[in-house]
Amino acid sequence: KAGVTQTPRYLIKTRGQQVTLSCSPISGHRSVSWYQQTPGQGLQFLFEYFSETQRNKGNFPGRFSGRQFSNSRSEMNVSTLELGDSALYLCASSLLAGAYNEQFFGPGTRLTVL
Amino acid sequence: AQKVTQAQTEISVVEKEDVTLDCVYETRDTTYYLFWYKQPPSGELVFLIRRNSFDEQNEISGRYSWNFQKSTSSFNFTITASQVVDSAVYFCALSEANTGNQFYFGTGTSLTVIP
Repeated sequence: KAGVTQTPRYLIKTRGQQVTLSCSPISGHRSVSWYQQTPGQGLQFLFEYFSETQRNKGNFPGRFSGRQFSNSRSEMNVSTLELGDSALYLCASSLLAGAYNEQFFGPGTRLTVL
Repeated sequence: AQKVTQAQTEISVVEKEDVTLDCVYETRDTTYYLFWYKQPPSGELVFLIRRNSFDEQNEISGRYSWNFQKSTSSFNFTITASQVVDSAVYFCALSEANTGNQFYFGTGTSLTVIP
């Protein structure tokens, strides 16, 4: 069974630009969550989607948004990029929504903002 | 306030030594789940174990064992007879019944096993 895939793996953008990251969950998984990982803040929850609905959102500004499609694939978008948005963005999928679900993580997209 | 605390930032051990990684959590929920993940240099987080708040039984899986103690809000992870391949960053995480799939991660412990 294929794991969680994320594209692209690496991105370099400049301040003020916007970026879209993509995540394909494990086949059959319906919940997708996004996390931002930085050396200073560690792993922080961005948002969670289940059945195309955002169920939960972390403490990030409105520049960070996401969506989920009917095939459970998800995208996240960051507008008006800032230097501090440089991070590893991890996508995780789980079979269902709910705190008991183990989440399976993708390899991440490393975003560098210059 | 930090919900999950991993006080050990970096640990180095010599191969075949035992090592314990500490995790202390904080929650007001009565139903919650604790997880450990491993992040090797490749970057992908690998699931190791899940425990729910109602099950305090310790668990052993090969060289790995976990000690869950609600009285001290701790969920510690021990690697017995460490190997070089165990070198990675280990994260403890908490999820609460009220917030679904949202994981609260600790800051991680970087383990280096020296051959």
